[in-house]
Amino acid sequence: EPEVTQTPSHQVTQMGQEVILRCVPISNHLYFYWYRQILGQKVEFLVSFYNNEISEKSEIFDDQFSVERPDGSNFTLKIRSTKLEDSAMYFCASSETRMGNTIYFGEGSWLTVV
Amino acid sequence: ILNVEQSPQSLHVQEGDSTNFTCSFPSSNFYALHWYRWETAKSPEALFVMTLNGDEKKKGRISATLNTKEGYSYLYIKGSQPEDSATYLCAFNNAGNMLTFGGGTRLMVKP
Repeated sequence: EPEVTQTPSHQVTQMGQEVILRCVPISNHLYFYWYRQILGQKVEFLVSFYNNEISEKSEIFDDQFSVERPDGSNFTLKIRSTKLEDSAMYFCASSETRMGNTIYFGEGSWLTVV
Repeated sequence: ILNVEQSPQSLHVQEGDSTNFTCSFPSSNFYALHWYRWETAKSPEALFVMTLNGDEKKKGRISATLNTKEGYSYLYIKGSQPEDSATYLCAFNNAGNMLTFGGGTRLMVKP
C-alpha cells in the first residue's frame, strides 16, 4: 500500500539552527500537510499546500516556518532559528482531494532542540 | 478555537471484552470526522472518514457511528485483542482544510 515517508526519523539540533524536514507524499495526491505534536499535547495543524502554494496555515505557522515542493516529489518543512519549544513530532500528510477524503500520515520526524 | 474532546483518556480492558469510546466536536460547520489508530513509532492509520449524520462504518471488529447534530461519534471495538492496543484519535474537519484533533484514547488490551 502506498505510504507517506518522512526523513529524518529523529533529529537533534542546537537552538538557533535551521532544520529541514523532508517528506515524500503518496504519488497521486495533490494536497499536502504538516502537523506537529508537542509531547503530552494534541496533534496540531501547521499548514496545507496545494498547487505549489500554501492554501491554509495556523497561527503556529509564522515567519519562522516555510514549506516547499522543490522537485515534484519531495515536500519539505523548514524551521529557521529553532527554539526549545519547537521540539515536537512533526507529521507530514497527504490526500487526493481537499476535504472529506482520507488523509494519510507519515511516521513522523521527532525534532529535539537543545 | 475548535474544541475536540475524547473520552476516556485511557482504557484497560481484558482480551475478548468489547469496548467503546467517545469523540465530541462542534456541531456547527461540520464537514467530516476522521478516526485514526496510532501505534507508537508507526504512522497514524486511517480507520474511517464520516461525513453524514447517522453514518455507521465498519472495518472488521471496529465500527463507528456519527451524530453531527449533537456533535459526537462513538468508536466500538468488538472482542478486543492485544493487537488492538493503540491510541485512537479522532479529528474534526470543518469547512476549512485542516483537521482538529482530540487528545486520543489510549487503549490497552490485556491477554
